[in-house]
Amino acid sequence: KQEVTQIPAALSVPEGENLVLNCSFTDSAIYNLQWFRQDPGKGLTSLLLIQSSQREQTSGRLNASLDKSSGRSTLYIAASQPGDSATYLCAVKNTGFQKLVFGTGTRLLVSP
Amino acid sequence: GAGVSQSPRYKVAKRGQDVALRCDPISGHVSLFWYQQALGQGPEFLTYFQNEAQLDKSGLPSDRFFAERPEGSVSTLKIQRTQQEDSAVYLCASSLVLAGGPGETQYFGPGTRLLVL
Repeated sequence: KQEVTQIPAALSVPEGENLVLNCSFTDSAIYNLQWFRQDPGKGLTSLLLIQSSQREQTSGRLNASLDKSSGRSTLYIAASQPGDSATYLCAVKNTGFQKLVFGTGTRLLVSP
Repeated sequence: GAGVSQSPRYKVAKRGQDVALRCDPISGHVSLFWYQQALGQGPEFLTYFQNEAQLDKSGLPSDRFFAERPEGSVSTLKIQRTQQEDSAVYLCASSLVLAGGPGETQYFGPGTRLLVL
């Protein structure tokens, strides 16, 4: 059974810092991995999707990497801003399945 | 364009009541998913539809949970005889295609927050 873990559970940084969020998964037979952002009381917004054959994806100040063999992904946020404050969720889709398996998230607070 | 919408946004039910939660996916999206998110946790998969066919219901926690998508668009998640442990946010997501390329990204609705007293 696929299990997804995210560390840290919470992170507080001053504005402008670069930061890294970690995600690990137990079953390396994944089809893809997604990073989502969730704001309080709202749904999830997809940030980046990495196919299993890819090593990384970039969008603006965000960069996500994937090391399938070691079961790890990282989300790098450059020059953090208060507007980045949210919960960040990592989710994997296993080969042969349609559902996403989520981690418990990292709560990020960026202070001005 | 319009995203995934869900209604009601909030629902308070007395234990034992039946509830129905509605999801309107993005128009034309083939796949539809329901997830349950407990407080402080990540979403957990409940069930999946491809058009009107329910292809995976392995995540439904009990036979009190029932989902349908009769015409391949709007979906309803029904919970019978609600229990306190059913209190959670119920998220609906849709995607354009089954798999392959950016079209498989799941787009999530704002969720329905269910509180069972």
